[in-house]
Amino acid sequence: EAGVAQSPRYKIIEKRQSVAFWCNPISGHATLYWYQQILGQGPKLLIQFQNNGVVDDSQLPKDRFSAERLKGVDSTLKIQPAKLEDSAVYLCASSLDHADTQYFGPGTRLTVL
Amino acid sequence: AQTVTQSQPEMSVQEAETVTLSCTYDTSESNYYLFWYKQPPSRQMILVIRQEAYKQQNATENRFSVNFQKAAKSFSLKISDSQLGDTAMYFCAPQGAQKLVFGQGTRLTINP
Repeated sequence: EAGVAQSPRYKIIEKRQSVAFWCNPISGHATLYWYQQILGQGPKLLIQFQNNGVVDDSQLPKDRFSAERLKGVDSTLKIQPAKLEDSAVYLCASSLDHADTQYFGPGTRLTVL
Repeated sequence: AQTVTQSQPEMSVQEAETVTLSCTYDTSESNYYLFWYKQPPSRQMILVIRQEAYKQQNATENRFSVNFQKAAKSFSLKISDSQLGDTAMYFCAPQGAQKLVFGQGTRLTINP
């Protein structure tokens, strides 16, 4: 069974530029999550989708971050414009349904210069 | 709201030794799950073990086992016969109705 796929693996941009990350969850998983993991900390949930609807985006900085999950499968997370403090690893995870075990992708390391 | 405390920022043991990582948490929910994830330098977050809070029996997965003390809200991870590949960050994470909440992590190094 294929795991959660993410791309790109690495991204370096300058502040005020925009960037987008892509996630393909495990087939059949209804719930998709985006986490931000700053160096030395545990992951923090940014947004949770159930199929193509948003369940929780309370910690998403909505002035610069946006996410969508069209057709309830793939998802993209966008940052526009990026700030230095956005440098982090962005993890995507999926689960069969909410409250089920979450499986994580390899992550995207973003560096903002 | 759920909170998680991992009181050991770093640990180091010799290969083949047994090591225990501690975790305490707080939650107002009565029905929840507890997880340990490991994150090696590759950054991939890998599930180690899962415990249902309603089960009294401690979960075991090969060399990994937990000591779950529900009343004390304690959830420690024991790694037996440690291997070099166990070197990683380990995160304790309770999950309530919706959200998985991660601790700050324990950096475990297995030395040859």
